[in-house]
Amino acid sequence: DAGITQSPRHKVTETGTPVTLRCHQTENHRYMYWYRQDPGHGLRLIHYSYGVKDTDKGEVSDGYSVSRSKTEDFLLTLESATSSQTSVYFCAIKGHTYEQYFGPGTRLTVT
Amino acid sequence: GQNIDQPTEMTATEGAIVQINCTYQTSGFNGLFWYQQHAGEAPTFLSYNVLDGLEEKGRFSSFLSRSKGYSYLLLKELQMKDSASYLCAVRPDNTDKLIFGTGTRLQVFP
Repeated sequence: DAGITQSPRHKVTETGTPVTLRCHQTENHRYMYWYRQDPGHGLRLIHYSYGVKDTDKGEVSDGYSVSRSKTEDFLLTLESATSSQTSVYFCAIKGHTYEQYFGPGTRLTVT
Repeated sequence: GQNIDQPTEMTATEGAIVQINCTYQTSGFNGLFWYQQHAGEAPTFLSYNVLDGLEEKGRFSSFLSRSKGYSYLLLKELQMKDSASYLCAVRPDNTDKLIFGTGTRLQVFP
């Protein structure tokens, strides 16, 4: 258990509304990641952070923004949700040998 | 480009041995990781290989050949609870990111 929680765990929202997902960790890890997982695509990196206020884009960052104002929290925001953003979202932290440990996930449905 | 290939699905019988293969073509190589993911749950870390050879951890072993861009995960004495997806991931050039394959869904039958 890497002490990672995600909230909310489930969310249904309408197209065009803003949505923010939260990842919280308790072990002072420097690196945090946001992925989405879809059938046939596997886990794809959206954004990641290498420290407070230090973030970078992943391979599927369009339509998403992130913020990290303190070490323990990494927020993922969908400014205007679309149906193509219906997915399961996982947060992760980096371990000592570059392995990653994942949070429990958030299932987001955009109607 | 980055590419990781795994079979989509495999089946096996309880008590048997199964080998799940992973081939990769990435911009550099700094480690290969295997994860297990049960349906509806988060991936959990199984193993890490950075040098050629076999790493054994209980019923699970992972093998790496860097020259061939190839790895496999070997599961022995299969149990019903081993029914899950197995994800292969590679750390490319000096980076703190992982590239994941699409996963292999393993079904274990009695």
